[in-house]
Amino acid sequence: AQSVTQLDSQVPVFEEAPVELRCNYSSSVSVYLFWYVQYPNQGLQLLLKYLSGSTLVKGINGFEAEFNKSQTSFHLRKPSVHISDTAEYFCAVSASGGYNKLIFGAGTRLAVHP
Amino acid sequence: ETGVTQSPTHLIKTRGQQVTLRCSSQSGHNTVSWYQQALGQGPQFIFQYYREEENGRGNFPPRFSGLQFPNYSSELNVNALELDDSALYLCASRPGSGGGTDTQYFGPGTRLTVL
Repeated sequence: AQSVTQLDSQVPVFEEAPVELRCNYSSSVSVYLFWYVQYPNQGLQLLLKYLSGSTLVKGINGFEAEFNKSQTSFHLRKPSVHISDTAEYFCAVSASGGYNKLIFGAGTRLAVHP
Repeated sequence: ETGVTQSPTHLIKTRGQQVTLRCSSQSGHNTVSWYQQALGQGPQFIFQYYREEENGRGNFPPRFSGLQFPNYSSELNVNALELDDSALYLCASRPGSGGGTDTQYFGPGTRLTVL
């Protein structure tokens, strides 16, 4: 079975500052890793995903994440945030075999202040 | 805009009632998954359908059931509603058989409130 832990429930940050949202996972099998964003009253939008290959993954809206197998982490980063980045961010994992259900973390609320 | 739509947007039911939630996937997306997102939590996998057959299920009781139709629409049915069923219900579609690397495209969700 897989599980995901998002280490911060809320992250306040000022506009144009860098941000890191932390995610750790556990799994006994190989996994794929994802970050989704959820804006108020909307569904989930894929930011980026790690399937294989380069451990540094670039996504939409200037976000990137680094897969660290030894630390079982997949932290999300952005060098300079905007007010519009205020949202809920979810880290998710799926087993590389089987029917690929997503296991989500509890989410991190990113609040960008002017 | 993911091309996945859900209806209704909001719904209020009372305990013990039954509810049907609907999802319309992108054309060509043969796999649909349903998730329950309780307030303040991440989504939890309910089940998945591929070409009208259930091919995966999470830890939800049998009163949660589904249907998938050939026109890329699907339904989530919940019988004997309980207060804890209050949540945002999300559907997600993707091409292929649902395994591997396919990206899941989520709809905006249906907010169900059980009184």
